[in-house]
Amino acid sequence: DTEVTQTPKHLVMGMTNKKSLKCEQHMGHRAMYWYKQKAKKPPELMFVYSYEKLSINESVPSRFSPECPNSSLLNLHLHALQPEDSALYLCASSQVQYSGNTIYFGEGSWLTVV
Amino acid sequence: QQPVQSPQAVILREGEDAVINCSSSKALYSVHWYRQKHGEAPVFLMILLKGGEQKGHEKISASFNEKKQQSSLYLTASQLSYSGTYFCGTASPNTGNQFYFGTGTSLTVIP
Repeated sequence: DTEVTQTPKHLVMGMTNKKSLKCEQHMGHRAMYWYKQKAKKPPELMFVYSYEKLSINESVPSRFSPECPNSSLLNLHLHALQPEDSALYLCASSQVQYSGNTIYFGEGSWLTVV
Repeated sequence: QQPVQSPQAVILREGEDAVINCSSSKALYSVHWYRQKHGEAPVFLMILLKGGEQKGHEKISASFNEKKQQSSLYLTASQLSYSGTYFCGTASPNTGNQFYFGTGTSLTVIP
């Protein structure tokens, strides 16, 4: 079962709200990723977790807070977002954080900040 | 760090072939290819590793030139279902083997 599941699929939130995006995989992968994608642009790497530890933070603003509670789950906590943060947020996983592994993507969470 | 793809957009008729190029300014360890349809997540197509190993589908193949730091994706006898945006993704030892997507190529197949 090669599947990465993301919830919710759509989220509308105000600039003062606190919300979370969730991601789950049961492939035994030990690397998980968050990407942000704006319309007609390639996905941009935000965070990488390797063996449940934050490995990469691509200078993402602190209003985005990742969390990896266990090897199957990855959360992205959102607080005080700006309208320009509206985008598709993609979760992905791979066997390990290694360039030779296939990276599997979830269907994404469409976020609108109003 | 972001690899550059060419062309930016291409329109094909069903049955025609297409080549999409991906070029990096950094030494590459691997190249990944993904296709993304509008409103959907990227779908894995192929990965090429340094040393020449190749995986993928029958009508979609790719080459990887390590010296030139380039990869090309070949789509043969295109079908309507091939339409979408194609992204290469590259990992380089110069960037801690992190994976970055290319600029993207929009491909449209018409009847």
